Amino acid sequence: AQSVTQLGSHVSVSEGALVLLRCNYSSSVPPYLFWYVQYPNQGLQLLLKYTTGATLVKGINGFEAEFKKSETSFHLTKPSAHMSDAAEYFCAVRETSYDKVIFGPGTSLSVIP
Amino acid sequence: GAGVSQSPRYKVAKRGQDVALRCDPISGHVSLFWYQQALGQGPEFLTYFQNEAQLDKSGLPSDRFFAERPEGSVSTLKIQRTQQEDSAVYLCASSSLGGGAQETQYFGPGTRLLVL
Repeated sequence: AQSVTQLGSHVSVSEGALVLLRCNYSSSVPPYLFWYVQYPNQGLQLLLKYTTGATLVKGINGFEAEFKKSETSFHLTKPSAHMSDAAEYFCAVRETSYDKVIFGPGTSLSVIP
Repeated sequence: GAGVSQSPRYKVAKRGQDVALRCDPISGHVSLFWYQQALGQGPEFLTYFQNEAQLDKSGLPSDRFFAERPEGSVSTLKIQRTQQEDSAVYLCASSSLGGGAQETQYFGPGTRLLVL
């Protein structure tokens, strides 16, 4: 069965510092991978996704993630954190022949001025 | 519409009460998904519709949960005889075609259900 783990339920970074949110998955088939962001009292918004092709994926708001099959990882990064990046971030994996999305438990990102 | 809308945004129910949660997907979207998000957790899949057909309901936690989409647009998630463990945010998402992995799912703001 597919699963997603996110190391660190809470991450704090200083404004302007590198953001690194970790995601590892387990899958018996090549996965589709996603990062979603959730602001307070709002729905999830897609940041980026990996389906096929280039393993380095660029998303909105300056975020990017790299699919590393050998490490079964899909870590999310941003070179310089902004205050507006403070939110909950969810990594998700999807079966290739199915529509069910499996979400990780989430990482809460705080940005310190 | 401009996005996925859900109503009510907040619902307080007494234990044992029935509730109905509504989802209005983006106009024309074929696929519709329901998720349950417990406090401090990631969303968990409940059920999936393609048009009016409910193709997967494997995530519904019990037979107290029922979902429908009779005309292939608006969907309702009904919970009968609510229990405290049903307290969660219920998220609805839609996608334009068959819901395949290449498609983006667009999420609504959710309905926060509190069962007392």
